[in-house]
Amino acid sequence: EAGVTQFPSHSVIEKGQTVTLRCDPISGHDNLYWYRRVMGKEIKFLLHFVKESKQDESGMPNNRFLAERTGGTYSTLKVQPAELEDSGVYFCASSQEQRSLLYDEQYFGPGTRLTVT
Amino acid sequence: GENVEQHPSTLSVQEGDSAVIKCTYSDSASNYFPWYKQELGKGPQLIIDIRSNVGEKKDQRIAVTLNKTAKHFSLHITETQPEDSAVYFCAASKGRDRGSTLGRLYFGRGTQLTVWP
Repeated sequence: EAGVTQFPSHSVIEKGQTVTLRCDPISGHDNLYWYRRVMGKEIKFLLHFVKESKQDESGMPNNRFLAERTGGTYSTLKVQPAELEDSGVYFCASSQEQRSLLYDEQYFGPGTRLTVT
Repeated sequence: GENVEQHPSTLSVQEGDSAVIKCTYSDSASNYFPWYKQELGKGPQLIIDIRSNVGEKKDQRIAVTLNKTAKHFSLHITETQPEDSAVYFCAASKGRDRGSTLGRLYFGRGTQLTVWP
């Protein structure tokens, strides 16, 4: 079974440019999460999709960030225009709700390292 | 919201020694505490978790303890090996029994563990 995949693995852009990150969750996983780790800090939640719907987007930093999950499969996270403070590693995770359990294990992708210069 | 503190930020041990990483959390409603290991170039991978109705859980060389009163939880690795070298993250979350369907994880800042041969 393929794990969570993310593309690109690394992106270097200039301030003011636009970047789109892609995440392909594990097949069949309804839950998809985006997280971000700024260097040396904690991994911070950005948002959560259940299928194609945004369940929780309270972690999105501002309106320069736009996440979509059309059709409930892969997701994209667009940053426009990028600022220096957007640099960090962006992780995607997916999980499948198991009603017999109270917690769903989240499987993480390898991340996209974004550098804004 | 939840705040997770993790210490130490770096830890170096000799092969065969034990390693302990400690975390505290602030929200008494949190009841699920996973630990993730992130190796170079990979995403975080769940290695063990503990729920708030359990005080201790062990899986081979890895054990976690939870003190709900003090809001502390710890990861213990015995007989460390060079392949244990990685960044370790603690996290906290609320399960569906706490009325939460959100599933978001609150992470600590990570501990870089280095095991010297």
